[in-house]
Amino acid sequence: LAKTTQPISMDSYEGQEVNITCSHNNIATNDYITWYQQFPSQGPRFIIQGYKTKVTNEVASLFIPADRKSSTLSLPRVSLSDTAVYYCLSGSGNTPLVFGKGTRLSVIA
Amino acid sequence: GAGVSQSPSNKVTEKGKDVELRCDPISGHTALYWYRQSLGQGLEFLIYFQGNSAPDKSGLPSDRFSAERTGGSVSTLTIQRTQQEDSAVYLCASSSTTGVYGYTFGSGTRLTVV
Repeated sequence: LAKTTQPISMDSYEGQEVNITCSHNNIATNDYITWYQQFPSQGPRFIIQGYKTKVTNEVASLFIPADRKSSTLSLPRVSLSDTAVYYCLSGSGNTPLVFGKGTRLSVIA
Repeated sequence: GAGVSQSPSNKVTEKGKDVELRCDPISGHTALYWYRQSLGQGLEFLIYFQGNSAPDKSGLPSDRFSAERTGGSVSTLTIQRTQQEDSAVYLCASSSTTGVYGYTFGSGTRLTVV
């Protein structure tokens, strides 16, 4: 079973900032939070990973509060090409990641 | 290689036949994973190889499924006596450590059992 809970779907207009929140109430001390993006007919693609506080890269930002029971993926100024399924996962390096159904983001012109 | 390579990209087979799916991970990646994804669903873990350790087969759905990894590199997933419910996209991923820094996935093999 997936160790995270996230919304099934979200809609956004182009140019808006999108925040996808993920719950991981039972996260273990050694677990990291990792987000993947998947386009149709492709394998998931690693977006960002963090342990606590804030991580930012060229694609997204990841916010993790001090209790680490949730995290928020922030996509700045989305475009139509950001339409995809986004997966939030928690885990350490010792066991394979368990993927849930993810959040289907639809960006509308 | 530059990425994870899977072959074939598409496979149509008759019910009852055996199929082999191949995964060529990124050179130097010690961990290799197989997942499958049914239409509109999330990824289902199948099997995990880490270095020379015994593989974690806990996700294999039946004894018709098996996988091996030769020389710590290329992996083959074999499905014997295929059934229609085996139709899915089979995804392979590799990682450089034990996955903490993210997996690199291949584009998958779309298996259709008719």
